Amino acid sequence: DQQVKQNSPSLSVQEGRISILNCDYTNSMFDYFLWYKKYPAEGPTFLISISSIKDKNEDGRFTVFLNKSAKHLSLHIVPSQPGDSAVYFCAASLFTSGTYKYIFGTGTRLKVLA
Amino acid sequence: NAGVTQTPKFRVLKTGQSMTLLCAQDMNHEYMYWYRQDPGMGLRLIHYSVGEGTTAKGEVPDGYNVSRLKKQNFLLGLESAAPSQTSVYFCASSYVGTGGGQPQHFGDGTRLSIL
Repeated sequence: DQQVKQNSPSLSVQEGRISILNCDYTNSMFDYFLWYKKYPAEGPTFLISISSIKDKNEDGRFTVFLNKSAKHLSLHIVPSQPGDSAVYFCAASLFTSGTYKYIFGTGTRLKVLA
Repeated sequence: NAGVTQTPKFRVLKTGQSMTLLCAQDMNHEYMYWYRQDPGMGLRLIHYSVGEGTTAKGEVPDGYNVSRLKKQNFLLGLESAAPSQTSVYFCASSYVGTGGGQPQHFGDGTRLSIL
């Protein structure tokens, strides 16, 4: 049972426009949500996070929105740049068995077209 | 500042062989994790450690063992490799923090093929 879902395997956006990456979850006990970016042949790198008690967090060109009633979050990148082309993973943290564990989505491949 | 270093980067094994993947971090993190990534799937947790000398099972632990004898190192072992263990393996580490918002720092992965 996939508790964190990224239903769009890929997304293409023109340079300078907005990129919106979506993530849905099923477990209301998740306390944080994190976004990671991954380039080929590299490990994921942390991008931005949001607490489950917030509905928005912004860091430069990146903004994450959380809609708890819909169990949905989205990552907005404005403006999109060619260097943003990567795979983006959504992750959710859950406190269980005395520690935090992270459930990852399957990723969305973003391609920013110059 | 190396961060999280995984060795080796690539390896090809025959079914039934054994090997150990090494993860080393220089950030003095308490928590360390091993994940595997397969096509069309997210990262799945194999084993994790909340401190030196401790290990625990994750989501997909079968066929793997781990050890954390030193705080900076986390070893993942395959005792008898199977083709189903062909995957890209990622090690990660993080601080202990209040709440689950502590970001994980990942290594660049080990690509393992089992023939």
